[in-house]
Amino acid sequence: QSVLIQPPSTSGTPGQRVAISCSGSNSNIGTNTVHWYQQLPGTAPKLLIYSNDQRPSGVPDRFSGSKSGTSASLAISALQSEDEADYYCSTWDDNLNGLLFGGGTKVTVL
Amino acid sequence: EIQLVQSGAEVKKPGESLKISCSGSGYKFFAYWIGWVRQMPGKGLEWMGIIYPQDSDTRYSPSFQGQVTISADKSINTAYLEWSNLRASDTAIYYCARQSIISANAFDIWGRGTVVTVSS
Repeated sequence: QSVLIQPPSTSGTPGQRVAISCSGSNSNIGTNTVHWYQQLPGTAPKLLIYSNDQRPSGVPDRFSGSKSGTSASLAISALQSEDEADYYCSTWDDNLNGLLFGGGTKVTVL
Repeated sequence: EIQLVQSGAEVKKPGESLKISCSGSGYKFFAYWIGWVRQMPGKGLEWMGIIYPQDSDTRYSPSFQGQVTISADKSINTAYLEWSNLRASDTAIYYCARQSIISANAFDIWGRGTVVTVSS
């Protein structure tokens, strides 16, 4: 059981908006910035969002991140078939003195 | 092009030792922290630890402290992950990743992963 809690799965049709939550605590999300990674099937993870809401160069603007208190969220607006992947949130935990990843959320495009 | 190139897949027996590598190119390797991340079959990502190649300052996840050794040789732009006594439970994909200098603890460049299989 991960310290950062994500829903195991979510789905949507092309063009739909989906959101993935990441719930933590004061020692992790409440204190530190959150990053999001996309892992397409059979490939290495890729940085999707850093510092809560910043997109690296080349990441489409349909991906957005936000953080409030001890929770964070990744939104995909206008879902596309190529967005079918696993998504992980990540942040530092001051109590555990280590980097955490959420359990991951599998996004299925119907 | 900035990239991290990892060593090839390994098949080992329980009790054997192993050292896998991660070579960086296209940037100042010594100036960025390199992390290692485990992904067990069908499971999520787990942070193992990080190393700063410039001075080999190393931090381990409490879960992996004493189980693995992370090292680096800045003269050849390479980081390593090493086991002295492999177990079947070490079977996984191991990724190295570069820590961003823009955002603390974000990994902006990833290697393709090294598949390690431990089986008798």
